[in-house]
Amino acid sequence: EPEVTQTPSHQVTQMGQEVILRCVPISNHLYFYWYRQILGQKVEFLVSFYNNEISEKSEIFDDQFSVERPDGSNFTLKIRSTKLEDSAMYFCASRQFNEKLFFGSGTQLSVL
Amino acid sequence: QQPVQSPQAVILREGEDAVINCSSSKALYSVHWYRQKHGEAPVFLMILLKGGEQKGHDKISASFNEKKQQSSLYLTASQLSYSGTYFCGTERYNNNDMRFGAGTRLTVKP
Repeated sequence: EPEVTQTPSHQVTQMGQEVILRCVPISNHLYFYWYRQILGQKVEFLVSFYNNEISEKSEIFDDQFSVERPDGSNFTLKIRSTKLEDSAMYFCASRQFNEKLFFGSGTQLSVL
Repeated sequence: QQPVQSPQAVILREGEDAVINCSSSKALYSVHWYRQKHGEAPVFLMILLKGGEQKGHDKISASFNEKKQQSSLYLTASQLSYSGTYFCGTERYNNNDMRFGAGTRLTVKP
């Protein structure tokens, strides 16, 4: 089965630093998503992306966050000026219309 | 906007049945069910697209009542491998944000 690839698997950063989380969605998918999950808690929707633009974003996705599809294959999540509460597992997902979500294996972000 | 799941947690003995419920205050286009094991990404179980639809494979099935904006996941004759956290994800019409419920932690004991 095709896979969504996320890098890095772990990222440690200092509070106030910028991080970029990278994802390679499945090649023929059109819809892309970022979610985050604080340990032991729910999977929280951050943003969805379609046709090279944000289609929906949650109340969590404020000016600190941005997404890009810089080269037609990668899909990135940038977090500017990280805070302690940004520590979480970040999942990228992609899919075709009306199909299931394919999740990447996640990036564990630790903000110190 | 996120769906509401119940119960929060269930403990079963092997072979017992369980039902997990998911409801929304908004009109739904589809309901997805995923299972997540500790430290792993969610894994797809099934998607329900039409009102009144019911699906199943093996001993796991689900129903979707579009009029009531409710879905239920049925686990019969549970196995140890069923342990994990179950999430429902919902989509509304003309909307592209798949939002998940808070999850139901299922523990199956021998």
